[in-house]
Order: sequence, then structure tokens, then C-alpha cells
Amino acid sequence: SQTIHQWPATLVQPVGSPLSLECTVEGTSNPNLYWYRQAAGRGLQLLFYSVGIGQISSEVPQNLSASRPQDRQFILSSKKLLLSDSGFYLCAWSSGSHTDTQYFGPGTRLTVL
Amino acid sequence: AQTVTQSQPEMSVQEAETVTLSCTYDTSESDYYLFWYKQPPSRQMILVIRQEAYKQQNATENRFSVNFQKAAKSFSLKISDSQLGDAAMYFCAYRGQAGTALIFGKGTTLSVSS
Repeated sequence: SQTIHQWPATLVQPVGSPLSLECTVEGTSNPNLYWYRQAAGRGLQLLFYSVGIGQISSEVPQNLSASRPQDRQFILSSKKLLLSDSGFYLCAWSSGSHTDTQYFGPGTRLTVL
Repeated sequence: AQTVTQSQPEMSVQEAETVTLSCTYDTSESDYYLFWYKQPPSRQMILVIRQEAYKQQNATENRFSVNFQKAAKSFSLKISDSQLGDAAMYFCAYRGQAGTALIFGKGTTLSVSS
């Protein structure tokens, strides 16, 4: 069966510091990978998605970036965090079909102070 | 642009009773997919049920079923025999045929009392 991992689970960072969140998927090959953000009291918003190694599409302009160095690894980064980057970050995967269901990881709670 | 509306910010139900959560959406597409996700206090999003728009039959997963009214653009979730573990925030989500992103509603917080 497929499993998806995210770490760290919780992170507190000062404004202006760098960020690296990692997501890995097990039990599948060539997954589509997604990064969503859930701000307090709001629904989820897609930030990035990837259909293959090195292929990243951005949905929302911001100071965040994403990379996919390996088939089942997806990384969310920032060079300098802003207060507005605080939120709950969820990674998701789906099969190669664009119509397939997205399955979510446990998430990372990021607080920027 | 597609939108998803959940008009009930909070709902409550007694154990063993039935509750229905409402969701409406707006789209000009004819083929799409609808989902209900559950987000418990752990905050991991868990798929509850999925409905393909081209299927007339309403999806069912154990105690969870949907009432999909395509013409009315309505997609409600019915939870039968409610259990304490059903307490969570429930999100309705839409995905177009050619789309990538799930478009989420703002969620409904369900509380279950014994």
C-alpha cells in the first residue's frame, strides 16, 4: 500500500530565516505530487504540483519554491520566511492519471514569528 | 472559475443519529469529480468519498453516502449511525476533468455528542 510522509511535523521559525519542508511517498512510482497550504480558518490552496522529476508548476506567486529531486520526493523551500507564510502545509499525491484521487500526508504546522 | 460553498460552518449530531452536510458548487464543465474529505484534530486530510459527475448513481462508503444532484449543483454528505470518531471538519472539494487543483469549500465542523 502507499504511504506519504512529511517532516517536520511542527516548525517554529523567525522571520527572514530559510525553510525546507520534505514530503516522500512510498509504494508507488511516478506519482503526481502537490503542496497545499491551509491558513487558519480557511480552506486549502494549491501552491505547487509536479508530474515528474524536475517538473514543477506554480499556482500562486509567492516567496516559496518547490523542487522534486527524486521521483517520490517533493520539497518546499523558502530563502526568507514572511509572517504570512505561517500555516499548515499539506503534501498530497495521486497516480499518473490527472483524474485520480489525491491522498494527503499528515502535514507540517509552520509558525513564523 | 469554479467555486465550492459549504453553508454550514458548524453542525452537531447525537451518537447513532444521522446528519447531512451540505455543499454546492459552481462550474460550467460537464465532467468533473467531487470529494468529501475529513480533517480530524490531527489535521491530516482523509478521503471520505468520491463521486464522478458522469455517474448517476450516488456513491456510498459504509456509513457515508452522498446525494449528488448535478442539475442543482449540489453534493451533500450523509453520515448514518454517527460515531464519536466522526467528529472533525469536513471539506467538500471539486476537481475539473482537466484540472489539477482540488478546489475546497471552507469546511463544516461536525461535533458528535454521546
